[in-house]
Amino acid sequence: KAGVTQTPRYLIKTRGQQVTLSCSPISGHRSVSWYQQTPGQGLQFLFEYFSETQRNKGNFPGRFSGRQFSNSRSEMNVSTLELGDSALYLCASSFRTNNNEQFFGPGTRLTVL
Amino acid sequence: QKEVEQDPGPLSVPEGAIVSLNCTYSNSAFQYFMWYRQYSRKGPELLMYTYSSGNKEDGRFTAQVDKSSKYISLFIRDSQPSDSATYLCAALSGGYQKVTFGTGTKLQVIP
Repeated sequence: KAGVTQTPRYLIKTRGQQVTLSCSPISGHRSVSWYQQTPGQGLQFLFEYFSETQRNKGNFPGRFSGRQFSNSRSEMNVSTLELGDSALYLCASSFRTNNNEQFFGPGTRLTVL
Repeated sequence: QKEVEQDPGPLSVPEGAIVSLNCTYSNSAFQYFMWYRQYSRKGPELLMYTYSSGNKEDGRFTAQVDKSSKYISLFIRDSQPSDSATYLCAALSGGYQKVTFGTGTKLQVIP
């Protein structure tokens, strides 16, 4: 079974731009969660989508948004990028209600200049 | 105060040593406790999870949860250089709830 895939793997943007990241979950998994990982703050939860509906949300500003498609693939968007948005963005998938068994993708490394 | 606290290390041990990694948490509603391993430039990989208090063993790894003291531990026996990674503890209150992670402990096993 293929694992979680994320595209692109690396991205360089400038302040004020917007970015869209993509995540394809493991086949059969319907839940996709997004996390931001930085050296100082560690892994911070952004949001989770299940069956195209946002099920949980973290404490991030409205510039961070996401969506999920009918095939469970998910995208997250960050508008008006700030220097502090530079981070590794990870997505994780799980089967239905099993968030205790999440499987992570390799992440997208976003650098904001 | 973070809901899940973890000593960032780094922790350096000689090959073959027993490693003890620890976390504390503050949310009494947490019921599931997980340990992830993250190699450099990779996503976290689930090692094991436990439900409520008790021990769980998987090969060289043992996870322990003490809900009375809100303490989570991971023990690695016969540590190997390939165990060198960052170890993240995590917790959640219900299967469909959001997961809260510790900041991770960097472990180096020296040959």
